[in-house]
Amino acid sequence: EAQVTQNPRYLITVTGKKLTVTCSQNMNHEYMSWYRQDPGLGLRQIYYSMNVEVTDKGDVPEGYKVSRKEKRNFPLILESPSPNQTSLYFCASSPGTEQETQYFGPGTRLLVL
Amino acid sequence: SQKIEQNSEALNIQEGKTATLTCNYTNYSPAYLQWYRQDPGRGPVFLLLIRENEKEKRKERLKVTFDTTLKQSLFHITASQPADSATYLCALDMMNDKIIFGKGTRLHILP
Repeated sequence: EAQVTQNPRYLITVTGKKLTVTCSQNMNHEYMSWYRQDPGLGLRQIYYSMNVEVTDKGDVPEGYKVSRKEKRNFPLILESPSPNQTSLYFCASSPGTEQETQYFGPGTRLLVL
Repeated sequence: SQKIEQNSEALNIQEGKTATLTCNYTNYSPAYLQWYRQDPGRGPVFLLLIRENEKEKRKERLKVTFDTTLKQSLFHITASQPADSATYLCALDMMNDKIIFGKGTRLHILP
């Protein structure tokens, strides 16, 4: 089944404790992206990647890192999480270089205390 | 910079009627514009994509229009059903591989 998977689905952590949210897609998509969704602010793009070893900042990249060492995986790293990073995070992927249809993962709900 | 606005936070429509949602952008016309459906606690699901050289696109009960003069896209659901109740998001490309989303419109179809 074609899908985007994220782990963990729920995470409670404390300020400053490094964490990684994994994202994997099995559709051989070139484009992958991370979003956060907050009430009243909608979906905002954090980072995106056009292909392996090619990443770029979205609208809200501060406090986040990403890597794209393999085509299928695009982990999101929070080196020193803060409470303002409490949010619902979505990973997405799409084929080709024109993004077009994005397939979203199920989301990761993060609470930073 | 490019901004995208969905002009209704929430919309109530009687079952069987046509629901019309609006998406406006402020600057340059994007190469394409997308519409997604999102249910509570779930990831968005792609519905339709319309390109700048297309005026209209249809898929079953869904219709999307794209007016580059008005800088606006309209999303219609005909013969609406309670199962159509969800949040609908529009998204457009920024011509630099970034994508921006509107804040969404919560649609309630009343039985």
